[in-house]
Amino acid sequence: SQELEQSPQSLIVQEGKNLTINCTSSKTLYGLYWYKQKYGEGLIFLMMLQKGGEEKSHEKITAKLDEKKQQSSLHITASQPSHAGIYLCGADIIDYNQGGKLIFGQGTELSVKP
Amino acid sequence: GAVVSQHPSRVICKSGTSVKIECRSLDFQATTMFWYRQFPKQSLMLMATSNEGSKATYEQGVEKDKFLINHASLTLSTLTVTSAHPEDSSFYICSATPGNTEAFFGQGTRLTVV
Repeated sequence: SQELEQSPQSLIVQEGKNLTINCTSSKTLYGLYWYKQKYGEGLIFLMMLQKGGEEKSHEKITAKLDEKKQQSSLHITASQPSHAGIYLCGADIIDYNQGGKLIFGQGTELSVKP
Repeated sequence: GAVVSQHPSRVICKSGTSVKIECRSLDFQATTMFWYRQFPKQSLMLMATSNEGSKATYEQGVEKDKFLINHASLTLSTLTVTSAHPEDSSFYICSATPGNTEAFFGQGTRLTVV
């Protein structure tokens, strides 16, 4: 069964608009990772969150992990065509810092219209 | 960041033959590497954990005789798909971590069995 639910599955936004992708688990997340993937290519690491309430930002992308550590959101401000791709959330649900043994959400395919 | 290199990026093979995929950590040592499989428009599913110097640990439902994993050194893990069939066609991707940090992924290998 899918242990990480990601929503929406696909998203089309106009360039310049903001958007949010959510990742929810029924279990406590010991480590939550956001990756970006171009279809058929490798994963690009975006951010890692470990503490409840933690928030990190890089350029126009902000990721948050809720206090209960069961939900994370990825927010993109003023989207650009370069943001297009598949966003995946991955998580350690067993131990801290498994460092790679992750379960993944279904992914969110983002398209940004110029 | 750390670099994980995967080779080949694409391979086409005939049904019944075997294919070897390599995963190398280029600038760090990895006692553990992970192999994932991704079907089109779907998320990554962990197949197995590759352990340097010992047997790989396979996830439930993954045939160990079908997907042979060898982790002979601290920088190289190989996945061999034996007696490949069209249903084995997929995107295979490996990951590794230098330590208690985020996982770094290879570029992935697109396997097509004809």
